[in-house]
Amino acid sequence: EAGVAQSPRYKIIEKRQSVAFWCNPISGHATLYWYQQILGQGPKLLIQFQNNGVVDDSQLPKDRFSAERLKGVDSTLKIQPAKLEDSAVYLCASSLGVIVIPNTGELFFGEGSRLTVL
Amino acid sequence: GESVGLHLPTLSVQEGDNSIINCAYSNSASDYFIWYKQESGKGPQFIIDIRSNMDKRQGQRVTVLLNKTVKHLSLQIAATQPGDSAVYFCAEGLVQNFVFGPGTRLSVLP
Repeated sequence: EAGVAQSPRYKIIEKRQSVAFWCNPISGHATLYWYQQILGQGPKLLIQFQNNGVVDDSQLPKDRFSAERLKGVDSTLKIQPAKLEDSAVYLCASSLGVIVIPNTGELFFGEGSRLTVL
Repeated sequence: GESVGLHLPTLSVQEGDNSIINCAYSNSASDYFIWYKQESGKGPQFIIDIRSNMDKRQGQRVTVLLNKTVKHLSLQIAATQPGDSAVYFCAEGLVQNFVFGPGTRLSVLP
């Protein structure tokens, strides 16, 4: 079974530029997550989708970050304009369902997209 | 690839010994817990999970223990191997999403 696909793997931009990351979850997975992982820290949730609807975006800096999952399958995360503190690995994860339903909440992660803002 | 967690707490064990990695979680209402392993340059990989109605679960060479009284989770790795070297995260799940701990780096010494 194919895993979670992410691109690009690496991106270097200057501050105030924009960047977009793409994620294709495991086929059939209804739930998709974007996490930000700063070096030396655990992943922090940015946004969670259930199909094409947003479940939780409370930690997404909405003045500069946006995400969409228009057809309920793949997703894009955009940062515009980027700041130095946005340098991190952006991880996409998917799950079959949600935590409260046994055997469906497990997260499967992609390899991540490493962003460096200069 | 670039290392993950350069300034994380580190646990060093001899190859063949058992490892115990600890995690304190924050929310007493969390009902699902997962341990993840993250190797350098890769995304987190599922190791083992446990629900709050259990206090112990065993997998292949790994055991997770849950103490809800003190909000503590541990991961035990038997006969630690060089391939176990990585950063280990615990994640607590509540309702719909997960919160990850800061991570522990496990170094296996030859």
